[in-house]
Amino acid sequence: KAGVTQTPRYLIKTRGQQVTLSCSPISGHRSVSWYQQTPGQGLQFLFEYFSETQRNKGNFPGRFSGRQFSNSRSEMNVSTLELGDSALYLCASSLAGTSNEKLFFGSGTQLSVL
Amino acid sequence: DQQVKQNSPSLSVQEGRISILNCDYTNSMFDYFLWYKKYPAEGPTFLISISSIKDKNEDGRFTVFLNKSAKHLSLHIVPSQPGDSAVYFCAASASGTASKLTFGTGTRLQVTL
Repeated sequence: KAGVTQTPRYLIKTRGQQVTLSCSPISGHRSVSWYQQTPGQGLQFLFEYFSETQRNKGNFPGRFSGRQFSNSRSEMNVSTLELGDSALYLCASSLAGTSNEKLFFGSGTQLSVL
Repeated sequence: DQQVKQNSPSLSVQEGRISILNCDYTNSMFDYFLWYKKYPAEGPTFLISISSIKDKNEDGRFTVFLNKSAKHLSLHIVPSQPGDSAVYFCAASASGTASKLTFGTGTRLQVTL
């Protein structure tokens, strides 16, 4: 069974640009969540999608958005990039994202903003 | 505020000995706790979890203990192996929101020969 797949693996952008990251969850998993990892802040929850609807949201500005498609694949978009957006962006999937489920993470997309 | 804390940024243990990694939390709503292992530039890998209705869970060399009154959990690795060297994250979630994990800052474990 294939794991969580994230593309691209690495990205370099400049300030002010926008970026789209992609995530394919494990087959059968309907909940997809996104996390940002930075050296200073650690792993922080961005948002979660289930059945094409955003179900939970973390404390990030509106420049960070996402969506989920009918096949559960998800994309995350960051607009007007800032230097501080440089981070490892991780996608995780689970069956339904409800109680007592473990999340399976992808390898992440390393974003560098210059 | 840091709702999940791992106060030891690093730990060094000899091969074959026990590794004990600690985690404290402040949010009483957390009822499910997980430990993840992570290598640089990779996603976290699930190790073991525990529900708040239990105080211990074992899986091979890994055991997690939960002390709800102290809001404290620990991960024991016995015996420690060089391949266990990685960063370990403690994470917690509240009922109904398993996908919204709150992570600790991690403990880097080094298992020496």
